[in-house]
Amino acid sequence: QQQVKQSPQSLIVQKGGISIINCAYENTAFDYFPWYQQFPGKGPALLIAIRPDVSEKKEGRFTISFNKSAKQFSLHIMDSQPGDSATYFCAASKGQGAQKLVFGQGTRLTINP
Amino acid sequence: DAGVTQSPTHLIKTRGQHVTLRCSPISGHKSVSWYQQVLGQGPQFIFQYYEKEERGRGNFPDRFSARQFPNYSSELNVNALLLGDSALYLCASSPRQGPLNQPQHFGDGTRLSIL
Repeated sequence: QQQVKQSPQSLIVQKGGISIINCAYENTAFDYFPWYQQFPGKGPALLIAIRPDVSEKKEGRFTISFNKSAKQFSLHIMDSQPGDSATYFCAASKGQGAQKLVFGQGTRLTINP
Repeated sequence: DAGVTQSPTHLIKTRGQHVTLRCSPISGHKSVSWYQQVLGQGPQFIFQYYEKEERGRGNFPDRFSARQFPNYSSELNVNALLLGDSALYLCASSPRQGPLNQPQHFGDGTRLSIL
């Protein structure tokens, strides 16, 4: 119940295209869903996050879509650029107790020029 | 403002040794969490400390311990190192404990290699 499942494992998108990464969770107590971007040799950087009271959140080229009934959420990167090539992680946590992020397995995104 | 800083950046140890990793949170942040990231996987939660008290512990053996100091910096200690402890150890800080989840900001980690 603590798992977050992420797909696909790897993704190749042409420059200017839309990159879509999906995550699914089981624990209905999760109430915070962030996405992180990680470049080689660096720590994860917080991109965007959503709480389950909204179905969509947009920040620049990045959008999170959230489907509470399906227990799924996804990251859309519009107008994907070569600089977006990185590993992306979805995560989830509960408001009560420890601030423990449960991460997905990661998606290695490559944007071809 | 400086982000989360971790030291050292790289470390090589042998099996059975002990290691101490250090973390300084973002100024004003009172919560520090530690994660282990094995190559090719997502980070796994080890500990969270807030106001110098342990607030949560992940599924790691007692060889792993941590503490937080009055200035909110933190140390992660690992005893009796095993080959499987080779990983990137990440520290994350957030402003406070709750009630809502707070954004966690990560440092660049300490790369620990066990020979």
